Amino acid sequence: DGGITQSPKYLFRKEGQNVTLSCEQNLNHDAMYWYRQDPGQGLRLIYYSQIVNDFQKGDIAEGYSVSREKKESFPLTVTSAQKNPTAFYLCASSPRGSPGNTIYFGEGSWLTVV
Amino acid sequence: SQKIEQNSEALNIQEGKTATLTCNYTNYSPAYLQWYRQDPGRGPVFLLLIRENEKEKRKERLKVTFDTTLKQSLFHITASQPADSATYLCALDTYGGSQGNLIFGKGTKLSVKP
Repeated sequence: DGGITQSPKYLFRKEGQNVTLSCEQNLNHDAMYWYRQDPGQGLRLIYYSQIVNDFQKGDIAEGYSVSREKKESFPLTVTSAQKNPTAFYLCASSPRGSPGNTIYFGEGSWLTVV
Repeated sequence: SQKIEQNSEALNIQEGKTATLTCNYTNYSPAYLQWYRQDPGRGPVFLLLIRENEKEKRKERLKVTFDTTLKQSLFHITASQPADSATYLCALDTYGGSQGNLIFGKGTKLSVKP
């Protein structure tokens, strides 16, 4: 089945640790995104990538890093510089160059700092 | 400043009634507006997209209107069912082009009681 796979579903991070969230898509989409969702908040864009080996910061990129070495993969690293990382993280993708892009989301990853 | 607001955090209605959700925005000129459904602990799922030159769009029991003069979109679910209970997000596509960067509202949690 085509879709977006995020892993792990639940992740616990100790203070000072970096953690990486995986995102893989088999929709052959050029664009990929990472969003963060907090209770009572809308989705906030962390990073997005329109093409392999290129990505741009979103609204809340501080404390996060990404890579886009392959079209189908867009991992997100939450670094120790991110002071409040506990949240629900959503990876998404969309076709490139389509006006009015529909965004397809993964099932999300819950990150908790312990 | 730019804002997107979904007027109700929560909406409770009786089964069979029409649910109407509101999305208002200021200081944006969106080319498109989209509506997504999100179930607890899951990623949002695309429902409908409406273009700025369209007044209304329908899909089965769903209807969306888009008034660029009022800067408002209304999302209707007719003959609502308990299975329609979820959080509904509106999203503005302020570019309408290859970036596909959507600005999301915080969502309205709809509860349909049997």
